[in-house]
Amino acid sequence: EDKVVQSPLSLVVHEGDTVTLNCSYEVTNFRSLLWYKQEKKAPTFLFMLTSSGIEKKSGRLSSILDKKELFSILNITATQTGDSAIYLCALGGAQKLVFGQGTRLTINP
Amino acid sequence: SQTIHQWPATLVQPVGSPLSLECTVEGTSNPNLYWYRQAAGRGLQLLFYSVGIGQISSEVPQNLSASRPQDRQFILSSKKLLLSDSGFYLCAWSSGSGELFFGEGSRLTVL
Repeated sequence: EDKVVQSPLSLVVHEGDTVTLNCSYEVTNFRSLLWYKQEKKAPTFLFMLTSSGIEKKSGRLSSILDKKELFSILNITATQTGDSAIYLCALGGAQKLVFGQGTRLTINP
Repeated sequence: SQTIHQWPATLVQPVGSPLSLECTVEGTSNPNLYWYRQAAGRGLQLLFYSVGIGQISSEVPQNLSASRPQDRQFILSSKKLLLSDSGFYLCAWSSGSGELFFGEGSRLTVL
């Protein structure tokens, strides 16, 4: 059974800090790994990763996948209070996504 | 462009009462449709998914059921709610490319 484990479950930092969120997984047949940000209601898509070692970047956010060690990280540099959210990692399958528990990130001013 | 609508946004129901949450997608045809539940701001648990009209896959045994009466309509139901059914329910759709697009969610409180 496919499984996703995120760490830490909760993280509190000061504005301006850099954070790294972790996602490890177990999968029978890897297709993709996705990151989402959830602020209040609907999760919004951040990245989809399919190849090892290729960094995806969007502004201050970046993510990379290691298919040998079965993990991905999401980096946020120069954090802002607007980055406070739950960050969700998911394995993309043929028909469905399997999500991890999420990391609740709080940025204090 | 594609949009997804989910309602009601909030509801409070007594134990033993029925439930119906509805989700519709516009701007696409033959989407994959999903119901997830999120407990207390944590990860998403997949409840049901559907790859076509009348086709429902259940991921976990529970007090809920799902139906897809039309191509772009997905309904989550219960005949008798339990306290443990409280949570945040999210509908989502996918074209099969991997990315999911979520509705705004329905917060259910069972008293």
